[in-house]
Amino acid sequence: GDSVTQMEGPVTLSEEAFLTINCTYTATGYPSLFWYVQYPGEGLQLLLKATKADDKGSNKGFEATYRKETTSFHLEKGSVQVSDSAVYFCALPPEGNEKLTFGTGTRLTIIP
Amino acid sequence: DGGITQSPKYLFRKEGQNVTLSCEQNLNHDAMYWYRQDPGQGLRLIYYSQIVNDFQKGDIAEGYSVSREKKESFPLTVTSAQKNPTAFYLCASGGTGSGANVLTFGAGSRLTVL
Repeated sequence: GDSVTQMEGPVTLSEEAFLTINCTYTATGYPSLFWYVQYPGEGLQLLLKATKADDKGSNKGFEATYRKETTSFHLEKGSVQVSDSAVYFCALPPEGNEKLTFGTGTRLTIIP
Repeated sequence: DGGITQSPKYLFRKEGQNVTLSCEQNLNHDAMYWYRQDPGQGLRLIYYSQIVNDFQKGDIAEGYSVSREKKESFPLTVTSAQKNPTAFYLCASGGTGSGANVLTFGAGSRLTVL
């Protein structure tokens, strides 16, 4: 069935470093793809999304491009800040299904 | 401001007790969801409801029950049949159709079994 696979965490970076969190998907069609973020002690919130191949979602300096040829939706940010410390989840809706399937999450810690 | 309110934020339960977690939304969303979050396992869907008076089991419904008597409310009961209930529980709501996947989450309820 349709699923997402995220890179294992935790990831620890220094402030202003470049960030990549890998996400690959398996899908029978071309679903929309999402990144959600969970800040400490909070619920998840939508960070960005892409609805079709080659779309780029962006928000708060984060970007992710829907790449059909590599079935990937990697999350990137050019210069991370301490406030970006959170858990990041890749997600997709399985074909014919309105429910979201989430990846296992990647915990990111940024040190000053 | 519109949003989702979960209560209580922290809850302790003795073995053999049922507990109910509250979830209320004022976003006028049709769909509501309950997820369980355990370390290293991401979010797993317990139950969901797309319309009042109707709900479906998710991937890990055993030991849980829900009701959807009002559009705004979707309480989750963790019963004594749930063998490992200690977890962080997240409620979410969203639209249906093309808006189904943009979910709004509550702040969560952390349940600990003593």
